[in-house]
Amino acid sequence: QVQLKESGPGLVQPSQTLSLTCTVSGFSLTSYSVHWVRQHSGKSLEWMGRMWSDGDTSYNSAFTSRLSISRDTSKSQVFLKMNSLQTEDTGTYYCARNFNYGSYWYFDFWGPGTMVTVSS
Amino acid sequence: DIQMTQSPASLSASLGETVSIECLASEDIYSNLAWYQQKPGKSPQLLIYYASSLQDGVPSRFSGSESGTQYSLEINSLQPEDEGDYFCQQSYKFPPTFGAGTKLELK
Repeated sequence: QVQLKESGPGLVQPSQTLSLTCTVSGFSLTSYSVHWVRQHSGKSLEWMGRMWSDGDTSYNSAFTSRLSISRDTSKSQVFLKMNSLQTEDTGTYYCARNFNYGSYWYFDFWGPGTMVTVSS
Repeated sequence: DIQMTQSPASLSASLGETVSIECLASEDIYSNLAWYQQKPGKSPQLLIYYASSLQDGVPSRFSGSESGTQYSLEINSLQPEDEGDYFCQQSYKFPPTFGAGTKLELK
């Protein structure tokens, strides 16, 4: 069945770089896009970026140039790298599969999320 | 970015009741809206897409509708497992954006 699972460090120091991995199973990264979405403890959800099935990427301009998404299709993994972390980047980070319905951006399967705390 | 104004922020209802959650888009999104349910400690789950299409496996007591730029999620005959947070999300314009969420509690 379709599964996604995020992994990465739970604690990152301010100004450092966050590296997260999303490992997927039950579908191919060359057939489905994968998104990164984060959620602050106050519950709002924020879309961060997308790895398209053809290897292209899209990013939320709110993250300017500090966000990078890549993948390794042989390992069924999508990676998120974000630098210059600040305390406001604390939250739960999810990877989610794009729901292949026309050209719409909906998210039909989500990983359990990984909590990231930015603190010294 | 398109702003999604969701209301109410929280509501409390009894078993068997019908509740409605609203999302107002800052501009026309032409039905490109999804609803998600998030149970405590879990990740969001897709309930409805394209404003009123029920995702596979979602109970028929959930339904979506629209009127202009206002979108509604209705839950009929509330069940204990319906407790949680609900979010709307627009997918008409880049970047996709979410409403602030509604916390549904059962009395």
